[in-house]
Amino acid sequence: IAGITQAPTSQILAAGRRMTLRCTQDMRHNAMYWYRQDLGLGLRLIHYSNTAGTTGKGEVPDGYSVSRANTDDFPLTLASAVPSQTSVYFCASSDSSVGDTQYFGPGTRLTVL
Amino acid sequence: GENVEQHPSTLSVQEGDSAVIKCTYSDSASNYFPWYKQELGKRPQLIIDIRSNVGEKKDQRIAVTLNKTAKHFSLHITETQPEDSAVYFCAAYMGYKLSFGAGTTVTVRA
Repeated sequence: IAGITQAPTSQILAAGRRMTLRCTQDMRHNAMYWYRQDLGLGLRLIHYSNTAGTTGKGEVPDGYSVSRANTDDFPLTLASAVPSQTSVYFCASSDSSVGDTQYFGPGTRLTVL
Repeated sequence: GENVEQHPSTLSVQEGDSAVIKCTYSDSASNYFPWYKQELGKRPQLIIDIRSNVGEKKDQRIAVTLNKTAKHFSLHITETQPEDSAVYFCAAYMGYKLSFGAGTTVTVRA
């Protein structure tokens, strides 16, 4: 059982390019989340999905979009990357969206030049 | 939305001493408070959590206390060891969303 995986591990991207970060979980968790982690700011929620077919905006959604076509996958897309999106991105999942433990993926380090 | 403040931002302790990290939250409806440990270059991992119907929870050398009236909760690590060196995050859960504190970098000196 892999748990939760993310790809790529790291990426350097030119500003203005489109990029999709992938996240897959095999725990059949209903809820999935995308966070970005910046030094001194902790983890901030970008988007979330309580169940397949539904998504919602988190604390810092601007410039990002997500989809949840099935239970396992929750890709995060940057339509036109900007340098302020340089960060470490973590995907997480939980059994439900009501106070369950969130399990994190290994992260993607993204640099936008 | 929920606001979580975490103190201190850095903490250096002598091996064998105790470490205490404190967090406050703003939303009185928050009902779940996990703590995560993140080692350098790794993912955050849950180390202990507490729910609003419990005042204290302990797991070996770590314990968490919750004061709902004052809206604060704390992590206590006793008999610290070098492997306790990491960044620790508190979080508060309200509805669907976890709000995280900014983190505390703990360094255990040998």
